[in-house]
Amino acid sequence: RKEVEQDPGPFNVPEGATVAFNCTYSNSASQSFFWYRQDCRKEPKLLMSVYSSGNEDGRFTAQLNRASQYISLLIRDSKLSDSATYLCVVRRGNTPLVFGKGTRLSVIA
Amino acid sequence: SQTIHQWPATLVQPVGSPLSLECTVEGTSNPNLYWYRQAAGRGLQLLFYSVGIGQISSEVPQNLSASRPQDRQFILSSKKLLLSDSGFYLCAWSRTGSDEKLFFGSGTQLSVL
Repeated sequence: RKEVEQDPGPFNVPEGATVAFNCTYSNSASQSFFWYRQDCRKEPKLLMSVYSSGNEDGRFTAQLNRASQYISLLIRDSKLSDSATYLCVVRRGNTPLVFGKGTRLSVIA
Repeated sequence: SQTIHQWPATLVQPVGSPLSLECTVEGTSNPNLYWYRQAAGRGLQLLFYSVGIGQISSEVPQNLSASRPQDRQFILSSKKLLLSDSGFYLCAWSRTGSDEKLFFGSGTQLSVL
């Protein structure tokens, strides 16, 4: 089982839609969680950290469920500019970050 | 502010040729440095990371090597490229003592033919 698994996508949604991505991690010792965004043929960029209590940044909401080892990202009111690949990222102790394969989102006009 | 430079942006190399990709970071000292590879349709794979000059940890055995000759310089090398070395190579840095936030270079698209 891979350490970080994500919905493969692609998700094709109309503008204004709400879309949710899921991610599961296999190691219960994982401590830190993030969502990164990667545009086609570009470098990944940090979108947001994921905190135990859940957190929101504008139209983006991240949730963590430690019991189920599950992370989610919710995007409300999707924009064309949200089209990208979203990477779930996990850190365990002092080891480097582990990236999921990503979920591709296409927002359609 | 901190910046990371990675070059070249695109590289086409024949099988069996050598490789040298360079990455430098400005505006910070003693960063953690990383090399990742992203093959077509696959996730980011950590190749090497370094917490200091001359300290290199290898994550995946292969025909690649890394060196850190200076505090803010990280080099990825190969003596003989394989077809399977094709991919998108990304250098990244994070602050000392914490790699919770990675900042990536713009990447090198390597095609081995």
